[in-house]
Amino acid sequence: GQQVMQIPQYQHVQEGEDFTTYCNSSTTLSNIQWYKQRPGGHPVFLIQLVKSGEVKKQKRLTFQFGEAKKNSSLHITATQTTDVGTYFCAGLRGGGSNYKLTFGKGTLLTVNP
Amino acid sequence: EADIYQTPRYLVIGTGKKITLECSQTMGHDKMYWYQQDPGMELHLIHYSYGVNSTEKGDLSSESTVSRIRTEHFPLTLESARPSHTSQYLCASSETGFHNSPLHFGNGTRLTVT
Repeated sequence: GQQVMQIPQYQHVQEGEDFTTYCNSSTTLSNIQWYKQRPGGHPVFLIQLVKSGEVKKQKRLTFQFGEAKKNSSLHITATQTTDVGTYFCAGLRGGGSNYKLTFGKGTLLTVNP
Repeated sequence: EADIYQTPRYLVIGTGKKITLECSQTMGHDKMYWYQQDPGMELHLIHYSYGVNSTEKGDLSSESTVSRIRTEHFPLTLESARPSHTSQYLCASSETGFHNSPLHFGNGTRLTVT
């Protein structure tokens, strides 16, 4: 079936290092959403990208949507221990009244202080 | 801050028992969802609803059932719990009429079936 692939599955960094997670779809997406889930918590919406080539920033987080609207990335500059958690992308595809949101498997980020 | 509530937060129950997980939202969202998530793993959509009296099965086959009699309420029921049902169940809702509106998740119910 149609999937949204996310890599890497795990990433361990030293505090202050950068981190990137990538999301790829085999088909064109209407938009892509990013969520963060802290350990023991629930997913929390971070941002949504809609336009081809779109780049959005939230403080140290930079989100990109590919030109073909098939891939996306989340980059964190100078990680902090508060960045620990699992980052999920979710791709929306479809048309008319029939849309489907598919989550990637997530990237678990751990940060060594 | 999203207003979506799930109860109970934790539930430990014996095999064969019937259980209902509650989910309520006060945002007036028509769309509601149930996801199943094992610890540290991906989210699997098991049920969704686009409005009152509308329910659909999701991508992952589930023995649970849902109902949507009121806009704000979307309970999930397991008629006979089994150890294989042990997991976290997350309820979510999204804004009416916007196909690309983000999901607001509840805190989840961690279910353990012994």
